[in-house]
Parts: sequence; structure tokens; C-alpha cells
Amino acid sequence: AQSVTQLGSHVSVSEGALVLLRCNYSSSVPPYLFWYVQYPNQGLQLLLKYTSAATLVKGINGFEAEFKKSETSFHLTKPSAHMSDAAEYFCAVSPQGGSEKLVFGKGTKLTVNP
Amino acid sequence: AAGVIQSPRHLIKEKRETATLKCYPIPRHDTVYWYQQGPGQDPQFLISFYEKMQSDKGSIPDRFSAQQFSDYHSELNMSSLELGDSALYFCASSLFRVTETQYFGPGTRLLVL
Repeated sequence: AQSVTQLGSHVSVSEGALVLLRCNYSSSVPPYLFWYVQYPNQGLQLLLKYTSAATLVKGINGFEAEFKKSETSFHLTKPSAHMSDAAEYFCAVSPQGGSEKLVFGKGTKLTVNP
Repeated sequence: AAGVIQSPRHLIKEKRETATLKCYPIPRHDTVYWYQQGPGQDPQFLISFYEKMQSDKGSIPDRFSAQQFSDYHSELNMSSLELGDSALYFCASSLFRVTETQYFGPGTRLLVL
């Protein structure tokens, strides 16, 4: 069985500050890991993914995440927050191999203050 | 690039009515997934199809059924609707064992009154 825990349902940062959204996973098999972003009343957009290649993954909009097997973590970071980053962020896991269902975390709502 | 298309985008139904949600995957994608996202909740997997066959099943109520057609589009049929069925229903598509990424549609927002 696989699961994802996102620490902090709400995160608030100032514009220009570091963004850190935490995700820890539990998986009995090697996982694929994903970060999706959801803007209000919109669908889920893929930010980045880990598929057993490089452990440091770069995504869109300046976001990146590092897969740390020893810590079972896949935290999402961005050096400098922008107002447009305000959204809900979901971490998700699936077994390696592809074409399996995604198991999502509860989500973290990011607020960016001017 | 073409994306996943879902219709309708919004749907209002009364209790005990039926609803049909449609999903058109990205061209050449052969696998379709359905997810339900309740208000303030994370998306929950309902069911998936590969090559018109059900490939996995999640927490889908018995009142719901789904299928994938020969052109790979999929329909989610929901009967005896309950207030608790009000949610955002997402469809996602991928290419089996080739793309590990699921691409999501914009969702259908269902409101049951």
C-alpha cells in the first residue's frame, strides 16, 4: 500500500521568500512521485515528477523537488515566491511502472503575502 | 497541444436523478482514470480503464458505473444521486506503460440538490 503525508495544510509566505512544501511518502515498492498544482476552480496541473532518474527534479514555474529515499521525502521548493504561486499543491505517489492510480496527499494551500 | 476534454463542465441534478459525465483523452492515450474531489478534499481514485477493459477499481459506489469506448473516450454514469455526490470529478489520461504521467482534464463540477 502507498500513502502520502503532506505536513501543513496551510503555508503562508511573503512575496520573494522561500517556498517549502513538505511531502513524505510510504511505499512498499519503488515509487513514482508527483507534485500537482490546482488553482481555484481549475484542474490539476503537473509541476514535476520523480521517476527514478535524477533525484533532484526541476519543474515548471521555478519549482524543484528532491527525492530523499533515506528520509522518504519529496519536498517541493521555490527560492522566491511570486503572488501567482498562490494555489493548492498536491503531492501524489504511484508504483513504478506507470499506468497505476495516483494516491494523493491532503494538499497544502499556499498563500503569498505582498 | 491537445488536452483532456471533459463534458459537461458544470452539472446540477436533483437527488435520485442520474448523471453522465464524459471524458475525451489526449489523442493516442489509451488509459483513462476517474477521480472524485469533494469540497476541500484531495482527489480520490474511482476507476480506470485500459483498452476498454477496467484496469483498477477504487472507492467507486455501486450506484456508479463507467466504461471506455472503442475511440478511448470514457463515460461515468451515476444513478440515484445523493447530496454527498456533489464534487469535482476529474478524468485523467495516459499512454499505458509509456507515460507515467497522468494528464488531468478541467473537471466536471456536479452539484446535487
